[in-house]
Amino acid sequence: QITLKESGPTLVKPTQTLTLTCTFSGFSLSTSGVGVGWIRQPPGKALEWLALIYWNDDKRYSPSLKSRLTITKDTSKNQVVLTMTNMDPVDTATYYCAHEHFTGFDPWGQGTLVTVSS
Amino acid sequence: SYVLTQPPSVSVAPGQTARITCGGNNIGSKSVHWYQQKPGQAPVLVVYDDSDRPSGIPERFSGSNSGNTATLTISRVEAGDEADYYCQVWDSSSDPFFGTGTKVTVL
Repeated sequence: QITLKESGPTLVKPTQTLTLTCTFSGFSLSTSGVGVGWIRQPPGKALEWLALIYWNDDKRYSPSLKSRLTITKDTSKNQVVLTMTNMDPVDTATYYCAHEHFTGFDPWGQGTLVTVSS
Repeated sequence: SYVLTQPPSVSVAPGQTARITCGGNNIGSKSVHWYQQKPGQAPVLVVYDDSDRPSGIPERFSGSNSGNTATLTISRVEAGDEADYYCQVWDSSSDPFFGTGTKVTVL
């Protein structure tokens, strides 16, 4: 059974850097084809893909946010970390991580709500 | 990037069929995935690769994709199907993009 769980601060101040950790079980990020993605959802709005990292360390970023994002993995710890710089109130959202292996994002973590406010 | 357009809302009576469209330029040439998101919950994959269902997803959920439109069909709609639904594709750069989302209301 694959499970993922997001962790990190629930409140960050404008201009600060957000660091989120996705801790997973039930699969290995060293298995060919496997990836872990980050997706966010502002309150009442649609899903927005942020970043994706694959088993071979291939990294992909949303074109609109690329300059602010960094995604890394620690295969030994079964973790994927996302950092987003220069946070703004418009970045207030629920942040999800999800497993990806050729068939779309499945499953997803429960999500973590991050509020950006001074 | 790649733009995917969905109707904001679809209403359907119990027992009837709901069809949710996802429009995109030549989307028929891409594989489309569909997600169901109930209030306060994380999205769940209900259809992948246009028309395949993950294990545990009822046969009432089906998909099709051709030309510029992909469609998620929910047959014999139940109250428990009330949720937001999102389509997703991989663009030519192998980046994933989500649709605008459709709220399905069961009357």
